[in-house]
Amino acid sequence: QLQLHESGPGLVKPSETLSLTCTVSGGSINSYFWSWLRQPPGKGLEWIAYIYNSGNTNYNPSLKSRVAISVDTSKNHFSLKLSSVTAADTAVYYCARGRSSVAFDVWGQGTMVTVSS
Amino acid sequence: EIVMTQSPATLSVSPGERATLSCRASQSVSSNLAWYQHKPGQAPRLLIYGASTRATGIPARFSGSGSATEFTLTISSLQSEDFALYYCQQYNNWPWTFGQGTKVEIK
Repeated sequence: QLQLHESGPGLVKPSETLSLTCTVSGGSINSYFWSWLRQPPGKGLEWIAYIYNSGNTNYNPSLKSRVAISVDTSKNHFSLKLSSVTAADTAVYYCARGRSSVAFDVWGQGTMVTVSS
Repeated sequence: EIVMTQSPATLSVSPGERATLSCRASQSVSSNLAWYQHKPGQAPRLLIYGASTRATGIPARFSGSGSATEFTLTISSLQSEDFALYYCQQYNNWPWTFGQGTKVEIK
């Protein structure tokens, strides 16, 4: 059974870079595409970026200037970097598998990231 | 960006009753519409994709309908485990976008 697990610091200082990794187990990262999403407290879900195993990427225009997504197929994981963070980036961050005809069919549990000094 | 609007924000329903949740898109998304169930501290769970196709393992009491800009999720007879947040999401145009959610609570 495919499982995704997010990992990374739970606290990041303002203006620094948030870094998260999603480890895929029970299946290969070499199929479909892989996304990061987030949900700020009391707000809705927001898609951030996706990546294919080939390295092809797509970013939400609202975050594009600050986001980088990468994949390491040898480790079966993909990662997110969000630079110049502010309190507005405080959120639960999720990773998910995406399929063009199905949407996001497998999600991680999410990891809370707080931006604070 | 396509804006998804869900109604109502909160739905109070008694166990065993039917729940009807609505989702509207700001422009046509064809049938590229998904519904998710989300409980606190858990991963969101895909319920419906293609507006009306149940995902693997989803009980038959969950059904979806609609196309273009108007969509509905119906839970035919609410069970205790169904009280949760529900989100719709369009995947017709990037960026894929979500509604703000409907909370289904016990009446």
